[in-house]
Amino acid sequence: DAGITQSPRHKVTETGTPVTLRCHQTENHRYMYWYRQDPGHGLRLIHYSYGVKDTDKGEVSDGYSVSRSKTEDFLLTLESATSSQTSVYFCATSASGGGEQFFGPGTRLTVL
Amino acid sequence: SQQGEEDPQALSIQEGENATMNCSYKTSINNLQWYRQNSGRGLVHLILIRSNEREKHSGRLRVTLDTSKKSSSLLITASRAADTASYFCATDDNAGNMLTFGGGTRLMVKP
Repeated sequence: DAGITQSPRHKVTETGTPVTLRCHQTENHRYMYWYRQDPGHGLRLIHYSYGVKDTDKGEVSDGYSVSRSKTEDFLLTLESATSSQTSVYFCATSASGGGEQFFGPGTRLTVL
Repeated sequence: SQQGEEDPQALSIQEGENATMNCSYKTSINNLQWYRQNSGRGLVHLILIRSNEREKHSGRLRVTLDTSKKSSSLLITASRAADTASYFCATDDNAGNMLTFGGGTRLMVKP
């Protein structure tokens, strides 16, 4: 398995609070992705990174920001969490943009 | 909106039977991939088929791709209870930066 970890694994927070999720990889993959998974919507791309400090928006980027200061880490920040951001968040990495992706175990976020 | 759409959304079969899942997509692709997700876990890559390939095999998995119909199918032969999972197709964008996933097929294999 690719070494991809996510932290925290579970988080409960209140509306309006900032939240940061971390993804860490040991595979030296160039590409990293943040998805959210909700019933009835499948897996939707939030943001992705194609290199250190290089990021771009995905399908559902509103309300989210990302940062990648080094190859290993990709951070997802909810500046002011809302109940609609309650979801399971997955990080993934890939050596090439359209190639095989390796997924982390997921973070279950609940916004009350 | 999702590039890939799986059909059926849910499938229930007996152990030993074959399971077929279909995926349709809208725009041109370089490759199409299938992933599996066990309940509560991250997705795991199963197989990748390139746009110039028509069929690919991996163990009990057989994937076909018809670019003229913009569709793919995943066949799992001699299914086992352990195959119970959700299966997703994913297509790359033309720029080769990302994948777009379908909504998935939930497969239940009854022992």
